[in-house]
Amino acid sequence: ETGVTQSPTHLIKTRGQQVTLRCSSQSGHNTVSWYQQALGQGPQFIFQYYREEENGRGNFPPRFSGLQFPNYSSELNVNALELDDSALYLCASSQSRARGADEQFFGPGTRLTVL
Amino acid sequence: AQKVTQAQTEISVVEKEDVTLDCVYETRDTTYYLFWYKQPPSGELVFLIRRNSFDEQNEISGRYSWNFQKSTSSFNFTITASQVVDSAVYFCALSEGQLGNNNDMRFGAGTRLTVKP
Repeated sequence: ETGVTQSPTHLIKTRGQQVTLRCSSQSGHNTVSWYQQALGQGPQFIFQYYREEENGRGNFPPRFSGLQFPNYSSELNVNALELDDSALYLCASSQSRARGADEQFFGPGTRLTVL
Repeated sequence: AQKVTQAQTEISVVEKEDVTLDCVYETRDTTYYLFWYKQPPSGELVFLIRRNSFDEQNEISGRYSWNFQKSTSSFNFTITASQVVDSAVYFCALSEGQLGNNNDMRFGAGTRLTVKP
């Protein structure tokens, strides 16, 4: 196990609703990234938070938003849910260091189903 | 723009066979990082290896080995003497830039490996 936890494990919502997913990073890690993994595809980068500020964003609309807290845990919020938002949402934490891209440690994911 | 291609969607082998998973990448940066991750049925991505663009040495870790060739933009992964526990989806990923943070790491579509007893 990586020490990265996510909640909830599974979630079912209906179209138009809002959802909040949570992630606790591994101890000592100050960077959290969120990914969306649709069925049968590789993870797609949503955004990253470094020391409570957004530090890069992938090609996702503004209804995908996030937060990082002083303890480096993070939330992913999705408003106005669409059917295509159904996916596994993965959180990854890393210890950012100037010498290069560190390996990210992934949580088990939250499976979101939008009906 | 960065891109990762894993042309093999699914591979099936019999236990003890060797298997190679292919990964081809595209990037305009001279500094970048390549990764392999394993995703077992439980869903959690497991880090296997990181390689930076200035280190073309091949690496061996037990039954796993990686062949990085900048000339062909490939970073292939070989499992020797495969075991049933190796069954999983394997992802190759690319992160550009010399500073940390893995900003916008791009994953390939993955290769599903099934090892039969």
